[in-house]
Amino acid sequence: EAGVAQSPRYKIIEKRQSVAFWCNPISGHATLYWYQQILGQGPKLLIQFQNNGVVDDSQLPKDRFSAERLKGVDSTLKIQPAKLEDSAVYLCASSLAVYQDGAFFGQGTRLTVV
Amino acid sequence: GDSVTQMEGPVTLSEEAFLTINCTYTATGYPSLFWYVQYPGEGLQLLLKATKADDKGSNKGFEATYRKETTSFHLEKGSVQVSDSAVYFCAPLYNQGGKLIFGQGTELSVKP
Repeated sequence: EAGVAQSPRYKIIEKRQSVAFWCNPISGHATLYWYQQILGQGPKLLIQFQNNGVVDDSQLPKDRFSAERLKGVDSTLKIQPAKLEDSAVYLCASSLAVYQDGAFFGQGTRLTVV
Repeated sequence: GDSVTQMEGPVTLSEEAFLTINCTYTATGYPSLFWYVQYPGEGLQLLLKATKADDKGSNKGFEATYRKETTSFHLEKGSVQVSDSAVYFCAPLYNQGGKLIFGQGTELSVKP
């Protein structure tokens, strides 16, 4: 079974530029999460989708971050404009039966804002 | 709001020592409880889980018991190995919408 795919793996941008991350979840997984993991900290939930609907986006900085999940499959997370403090690893995870099996994570995208 | 607190790291142990990493969570409903592990240079992997009170999750010699009365899910291993060196995350999953949140992580370093 293929895992959660994310791209790119690494990205370096200047502050005030925009950036987008892509996630392809495990086939059939209805739940999709985006997390931000700053170095030395635990992952922080940004947004959770169930199919193509948003379940929770209470910690998403909506003035600069946006996310969508078209057709309930792939998802993109965008930052515009980026700030220095956005430097982090952005993790995507998906799940079919999250209460029983938890979520499966991709390798993440490491963003450096300079 | 929902939150989880883990023991601060780093934790440094000698090989074959006993490991405990403490984890407590806010008792909103009856969450499922997970421990995830992140080995150096790798992604997050599920280590073990428990979905109801008094359940014991186990994997690779690690164990954790769902303690509803103390809202805790402490991770234990009787004899750690160098290969267990990693960062460990406690993660409750709250029933309201399946919200999975993470503790701050505990770094474990095992010396030969």
